[in-house]
Amino acid sequence: GDSVTQMEGPVTLSEEAFLTINCTYTATGYPSLFWYVQYPGEGLQLLLKATKADDKGSNKGFEATYRKETTSFHLEKGSVQVSDSAVYFCALSLLPSGSARQLTFGSGTQLTVLP
Amino acid sequence: DTGVSQDPRHKITKRGQNVTFRCDPISEHNRLYWYRQTLGQGPEFLTYFQNEAQLEKSRLLSDRFSAERPKGSFSTLEIQRTEQGDSAMYLCASSSSEGGGNTIYFGEGSWLTVV
Repeated sequence: GDSVTQMEGPVTLSEEAFLTINCTYTATGYPSLFWYVQYPGEGLQLLLKATKADDKGSNKGFEATYRKETTSFHLEKGSVQVSDSAVYFCALSLLPSGSARQLTFGSGTQLTVLP
Repeated sequence: DTGVSQDPRHKITKRGQNVTFRCDPISEHNRLYWYRQTLGQGPEFLTYFQNEAQLEKSRLLSDRFSAERPKGSFSTLEIQRTEQGDSAMYLCASSSSEGGGNTIYFGEGSWLTVV
Protein backbone atom coordinates (compact mmCIF):
# COMPACT_ATOMS: atom_id res chain seq x y z
CA GLY A 1 0.00 0.00 0.00
CA ASP A 2 0.87 3.66 0.01
CA SER A 3 3.28 4.72 2.72
CA VAL A 4 5.61 7.45 3.91
CA THR A 5 8.93 6.85 5.63
CA GLN A 6 10.56 9.63 7.58
CA MET A 7 13.97 10.03 9.11
CA GLU A 8 13.78 8.90 12.70
CA GLY A 9 14.25 11.45 15.41
CA PRO A 10 14.69 13.11 17.64
CA VAL A 11 16.89 15.65 15.89
CA THR A 12 18.71 18.22 18.01
CA LEU A 13 20.45 21.18 16.40
CA SER A 14 22.00 24.42 17.48
CA GLU A 15 20.42 27.68 16.38
CA GLU A 16 21.44 28.71 12.84
CA ALA A 17 22.38 25.14 11.88
CA PHE A 18 21.28 23.60 8.58
CA LEU A 19 18.32 21.24 8.75
CA THR A 20 17.46 18.25 6.61
CA ILE A 21 14.65 15.84 7.44
CA ASN A 22 14.45 12.97 4.98
CA CYS A 23 11.16 11.70 3.61
CA THR A 24 10.57 8.98 1.05
CA TYR A 25 7.31 7.57 -0.17
CA THR A 26 5.76 4.55 -1.83
CA ALA A 27 2.68 5.13 -3.93
CA THR A 28 0.86 3.42 -6.75
CA GLY A 29 0.10 6.65 -8.61
CA TYR A 30 1.27 10.24 -8.66
CA PRO A 31 0.75 11.68 -5.22
CA SER A 32 0.69 15.20 -3.92
CA LEU A 33 3.23 15.65 -1.12
CA PHE A 34 3.02 17.71 2.04
CA TRP A 35 4.94 18.71 5.13
CA TYR A 36 2.90 19.45 8.24
CA VAL A 37 4.27 20.85 11.50
CA GLN A 38 2.89 20.31 14.99
CA TYR A 39 4.02 22.73 17.68
CA PRO A 40 3.67 21.65 21.32
CA GLY A 41 0.04 21.59 22.38
CA GLU A 42 -1.25 22.60 18.97
CA GLY A 43 -2.85 20.95 15.97
CA LEU A 44 -1.18 20.16 12.68
CA GLN A 45 -0.41 23.06 10.39
CA LEU A 46 0.38 22.79 6.71
CA LEU A 47 3.97 23.95 6.20
CA LEU A 48 4.36 23.44 2.45
CA LYS A 49 3.22 21.25 -0.41
CA ALA A 50 4.08 20.14 -3.94
CA THR A 51 1.63 18.59 -6.36
CA LYS A 52 3.82 17.31 -9.19
CA ALA A 53 7.33 16.16 -9.95
CA ASP A 54 10.08 18.81 -9.69
CA ASP A 55 7.79 21.24 -7.89
CA LYS A 56 9.41 23.01 -4.96
CA GLY A 57 7.26 23.93 -1.97
CA SER A 58 8.50 26.67 0.31
CA ASN A 59 7.32 28.55 3.38
CA LYS A 60 8.93 30.29 6.38
CA GLY A 61 12.42 29.49 5.09
CA PHE A 62 11.65 25.78 4.69
CA GLU A 63 11.87 24.10 1.29
CA ALA A 64 11.19 20.68 -0.16
CA THR A 65 11.45 19.46 -3.76
CA TYR A 66 9.28 16.67 -5.18
CA ARG A 67 11.76 14.16 -6.63
CA LYS A 68 9.93 11.47 -8.57
CA GLU A 69 13.10 9.60 -9.56
CA THR A 70 14.09 9.05 -5.95
CA THR A 71 10.52 9.12 -4.55
CA SER A 72 11.62 11.70 -2.02
CA PHE A 73 10.44 15.00 -0.53
CA HIS A 74 13.18 16.02 1.90
CA LEU A 75 12.59 19.07 4.10
CA GLU A 76 15.41 21.62 4.38
CA LYS A 77 16.06 24.91 6.11
CA GLY A 78 19.28 26.86 5.89
CA SER A 79 19.28 28.34 9.39
CA VAL A 80 16.98 26.99 12.09
CA GLN A 81 15.64 28.99 15.02
CA VAL A 82 14.57 27.94 18.50
CA SER A 83 10.98 28.64 17.43
CA ASP A 84 11.24 25.87 14.80
CA SER A 85 11.24 23.25 17.55
CA ALA A 86 8.28 21.03 16.75
CA VAL A 87 7.29 17.69 15.25
CA TYR A 88 7.41 17.56 11.46
CA PHE A 89 5.23 15.16 9.46
CA CYS A 90 5.63 14.21 5.82
CA ALA A 91 2.41 13.15 4.11
CA LEU A 92 1.03 12.15 0.76
CA SER A 93 -2.33 12.17 -0.91
CA LEU A 94 -3.15 10.16 -4.00
CA LEU A 95 -6.52 11.64 -4.79
CA PRO A 96 -6.48 14.06 -7.70
CA SER A 97 -6.95 17.75 -7.26
CA GLY A 98 -10.60 18.51 -6.82
CA SER A 99 -11.26 15.45 -4.70
CA ALA A 100 -11.12 15.04 -0.97
CA ARG A 101 -7.63 14.49 0.35
CA GLN A 102 -7.13 11.50 2.57
CA LEU A 103 -3.63 12.01 3.80
CA THR A 104 -1.18 9.22 4.60
CA PHE A 105 1.35 10.43 7.17
CA GLY A 106 4.82 9.43 8.18
CA SER A 107 5.56 8.81 11.84
CA GLY A 108 6.93 12.30 12.45
CA THR A 109 10.35 13.71 13.33
CA GLN A 110 10.84 15.65 16.56
CA LEU A 111 13.14 18.65 16.08
CA THR A 112 14.66 20.50 19.02
CA VAL A 113 16.69 23.64 18.37
CA LEU A 114 18.97 24.79 21.17
CA PRO A 115 19.96 28.45 21.65
CA ASP B 1 -11.13 32.44 15.87
CA THR B 2 -12.39 30.84 12.66
CA GLY B 3 -10.28 27.68 12.76
CA VAL B 4 -11.37 24.10 13.36
CA SER B 5 -12.61 23.68 16.93
CA GLN B 6 -12.72 20.47 18.90
CA ASP B 7 -14.35 19.69 22.21
CA PRO B 8 -13.44 18.47 24.73
CA ARG B 9 -9.69 18.93 24.48
CA HIS B 10 -9.08 16.24 27.06
CA LYS B 11 -11.22 13.34 28.24
CA ILE B 12 -10.44 10.68 30.82
CA THR B 13 -12.90 7.82 30.93
CA LYS B 14 -13.18 4.39 32.45
CA ARG B 15 -12.95 1.33 30.28
CA GLY B 16 -16.35 0.34 28.96
CA GLN B 17 -17.81 3.83 28.97
CA ASN B 18 -18.94 5.66 25.84
CA VAL B 19 -17.34 8.93 24.78
CA THR B 20 -18.30 11.53 22.19
CA PHE B 21 -16.14 14.20 20.62
CA ARG B 22 -17.42 17.21 18.75
CA CYS B 23 -15.83 19.07 15.85
CA ASP B 24 -16.81 22.42 14.39
CA PRO B 25 -15.12 22.92 11.03
CA ILE B 26 -14.20 26.18 9.35
CA SER B 27 -17.58 27.63 8.46
CA GLU B 28 -17.30 27.62 4.66
CA HIS B 29 -15.77 24.13 4.48
CA ASN B 30 -17.99 21.34 3.20
CA ARG B 31 -15.55 18.49 3.83
CA LEU B 32 -14.77 17.18 7.29
CA TYR B 33 -12.30 14.47 8.31
CA TRP B 34 -11.51 12.49 11.44
CA TYR B 35 -8.02 11.13 12.17
CA ARG B 36 -6.51 9.30 15.10
CA GLN B 37 -2.98 9.91 16.33
CA THR B 38 -1.25 7.66 18.82
CA LEU B 39 1.91 8.61 20.67
CA GLY B 40 4.95 8.73 18.42
CA GLN B 41 2.96 8.10 15.25
CA GLY B 42 1.51 10.17 12.49
CA PRO B 43 -2.24 10.71 12.16
CA GLU B 44 -4.27 7.81 10.78
CA PHE B 45 -7.32 8.55 8.62
CA LEU B 46 -10.65 7.29 10.00
CA THR B 47 -13.53 8.77 8.02
CA TYR B 48 -14.70 11.77 6.03
CA PHE B 49 -17.87 13.66 5.16
CA GLN B 50 -18.84 15.83 2.26
CA ASN B 51 -21.66 17.99 3.56
CA GLU B 52 -23.82 15.57 5.57
CA ALA B 53 -22.88 12.46 3.57
CA GLN B 54 -20.31 10.10 5.05
CA LEU B 55 -18.42 9.10 1.92
CA GLU B 56 -15.69 6.99 3.44
CA LYS B 57 -15.99 4.99 6.63
CA SER B 58 -14.21 1.74 5.88
CA ARG B 59 -11.19 2.93 7.84
CA LEU B 60 -13.06 3.30 11.12
CA LEU B 61 -11.26 1.06 13.54
CA SER B 62 -14.16 -1.12 14.62
CA ASP B 63 -17.93 -1.07 14.87
CA ARG B 64 -17.52 0.65 18.24
CA PHE B 65 -16.58 3.79 16.33
CA SER B 66 -19.19 5.90 14.60
CA ALA B 67 -19.37 9.44 13.26
CA GLU B 68 -22.18 11.74 12.24
CA ARG B 69 -22.58 15.10 10.59
CA PRO B 70 -26.35 15.54 10.65
CA LYS B 71 -26.71 19.02 9.17
CA GLY B 72 -23.50 19.24 7.24
CA SER B 73 -21.92 21.54 9.79
CA PHE B 74 -20.50 20.15 13.04
CA SER B 75 -19.63 16.49 13.45
CA THR B 76 -19.45 14.03 16.32
CA LEU B 77 -17.25 10.99 16.75
CA GLU B 78 -18.51 8.42 19.24
CA ILE B 79 -16.58 5.52 20.70
CA GLN B 80 -18.69 2.93 22.49
CA ARG B 81 -17.43 0.52 25.16
CA THR B 82 -14.02 2.17 25.25
CA GLU B 83 -10.90 0.07 25.59
CA GLN B 84 -7.45 1.07 26.79
CA GLY B 85 -6.18 0.78 23.23
CA ASP B 86 -8.49 3.63 22.25
CA SER B 87 -6.31 6.06 24.19
CA ALA B 88 -5.07 8.51 21.57
CA MET B 89 -5.60 11.97 20.17
CA TYR B 90 -8.56 12.32 17.84
CA LEU B 91 -8.04 15.00 15.22
CA CYS B 92 -10.68 16.71 13.17
CA ALA B 93 -9.90 18.54 9.94
CA SER B 94 -11.82 20.36 7.25
CA SER B 95 -11.40 21.56 3.71
CA SER B 96 -13.38 23.07 0.88
CA SER B 97 -14.18 21.42 -2.42
CA GLU B 98 -14.13 24.82 -4.07
CA GLY B 99 -11.15 26.48 -5.69
CA GLY B 100 -9.08 23.37 -6.26
CA GLY B 101 -6.67 24.13 -3.45
CA ASN B 102 -8.00 21.47 -1.12
CA THR B 103 -5.73 22.39 1.75
CA ILE B 104 -6.77 20.48 4.85
CA TYR B 105 -6.89 22.43 8.11
CA PHE B 106 -6.60 20.56 11.39
CA GLY B 107 -8.00 21.28 14.81
CA GLU B 108 -5.97 21.01 17.99
CA GLY B 109 -7.27 17.54 18.74
CA SER B 110 -9.11 15.81 21.55
CA TRP B 111 -7.01 13.69 23.86
CA LEU B 112 -8.64 10.51 25.13
CA THR B 113 -7.27 8.52 28.05
CA VAL B 114 -9.03 5.26 28.92
CA VAL B 115 -8.24 3.98 32.41
